[in-house]
Amino acid sequence: EIVLTQSPATLSLSPGERVTLSCRASQSVRSFLAWYQQKPGQTPRLLIYDASNRATGIPARFSGSGSETDFTLTISSLEPEDFAVYYCQQRIAWPLTVGGGTMVEIK
Amino acid sequence: EVQLVESGGGLVQPGGSLKLSCVASGFTFSDYWMSWVRQAPGKGLESVGNIKQDGSETYYVDSLRGRFTISRDNAKNSLYLQINSLRVEDTALYYCARDFSSGGGFYHWFDPWGQGTLVTVSS
Repeated sequence: EIVLTQSPATLSLSPGERVTLSCRASQSVRSFLAWYQQKPGQTPRLLIYDASNRATGIPARFSGSGSETDFTLTISSLEPEDFAVYYCQQRIAWPLTVGGGTMVEIK
Repeated sequence: EVQLVESGGGLVQPGGSLKLSCVASGFTFSDYWMSWVRQAPGKGLESVGNIKQDGSETYYVDSLRGRFTISRDNAKNSLYLQINSLRVEDTALYYCARDFSSGGGFYHWFDPWGQGTLVTVSS
């Protein structure tokens, strides 16, 4: 199965900062990668799919890039509501797998 | 409105079994692949497995294969997760999730999610 490794595990940042999160796949997933956001006490929310497509209602400050094995989620300017845990997920191979997550916390 | 409602969680002793259910509404259940994802307290998401629309194919993550069985009953709009030989480390919130739908197509992203059902394994 495909293993997704996210880094770093935790980021401590201030509102307004730019943040870049990484997801690396153990083998090529082409562009079949998604990003989710999970806030405390809430279910995960789909942010980005197919590496770079924003889901409905997702603000433009969120963007995704990458292909094959290396992917990035960028938040151009952190808003207070963006402090959360972010996960990546691949869909090129069964079973679908999820990365370990990156927590973006307030500095 | 699309809804997924899980149930069946609770406190179970190590070695016991449990069957979780997820009832779907607001969409044609039989059109979609479905998945189970779990989250241990304070930990990250962990994919459990996936099942095809007609139940003919199931896939499980390597670490969980053997004790977990996913099934579905399309007549009842229901998804199931049977867990046997429960271990303390199976303690988690278990979510069901549907394939993402966009532009008339279906894609293997998790959207939407249910609220989860909590399984606690303890003696």
